[in-house]
Amino acid sequence: GEDVEQSLFLSVREGDSSVINCTYTDSSSTYLYWYKQEPGAGLQLLTYIFSNMDMKQDQRLTVLLNKKDKHLSLRIADTQTGDSAIYFCAEKKSSNTGKLIFGQGTTLQVKP
Amino acid sequence: DGGITQSPKYLFRKEGQNVTLSCEQNLNHDAMYWYRQDPGQGLRLIYYSQIVNDFQKGDIAEGYSVSREKKESFPLTVTSAQKNPTAFYLCASSNRKTPGAAQEAQHFGDGTRLSIL
Repeated sequence: GEDVEQSLFLSVREGDSSVINCTYTDSSSTYLYWYKQEPGAGLQLLTYIFSNMDMKQDQRLTVLLNKKDKHLSLRIADTQTGDSAIYFCAEKKSSNTGKLIFGQGTTLQVKP
Repeated sequence: DGGITQSPKYLFRKEGQNVTLSCEQNLNHDAMYWYRQDPGQGLRLIYYSQIVNDFQKGDIAEGYSVSREKKESFPLTVTSAQKNPTAFYLCASSNRKTPGAAQEAQHFGDGTRLSIL
């Protein structure tokens, strides 16, 4: 199957860490991406990870990949109100089409 | 600055009318994509094009048409056959020549919101 699944909603307090989870079904995926969408805007690429990596850190963002369980997570440290948005994970398969399969998106609400 | 421009930002369609959404990129990307986003849902692929003068149907192509006459442009027409066109439409592009996660990432425009009059 081609499903990418995410929980729909996460609420955290400002300054806490946020963890957004994603599961995918295709073990042939080559790259996995995290995108951020603010209200009324397009998707902004946040970070990505190769399927042969376990972890990637980029400033406040940490991506963890458990390839055996097909589980991807995005941790945002010291979450700020400006981090409130919808976060999408996406997988790129090994086929040569360039297509990405997106999850439904997780709405992150950051309370002051 | 390089980027993807979608226009208009808001569009209204009358019953029985075809409307065309514009998408232009100056990133020199070969591949372009159209997605539909409904509230509380993820992105669904309508059409994509990997090269000029060629395009393929995505998961929900019925009621839509596209053309790819120029590398920079990938307009989407929402035809009268699309009975539920109200949605947020997103265009994206990606580099198909240089391999790598960053290089192959899709870059998005700011979207067009289409509503029915």
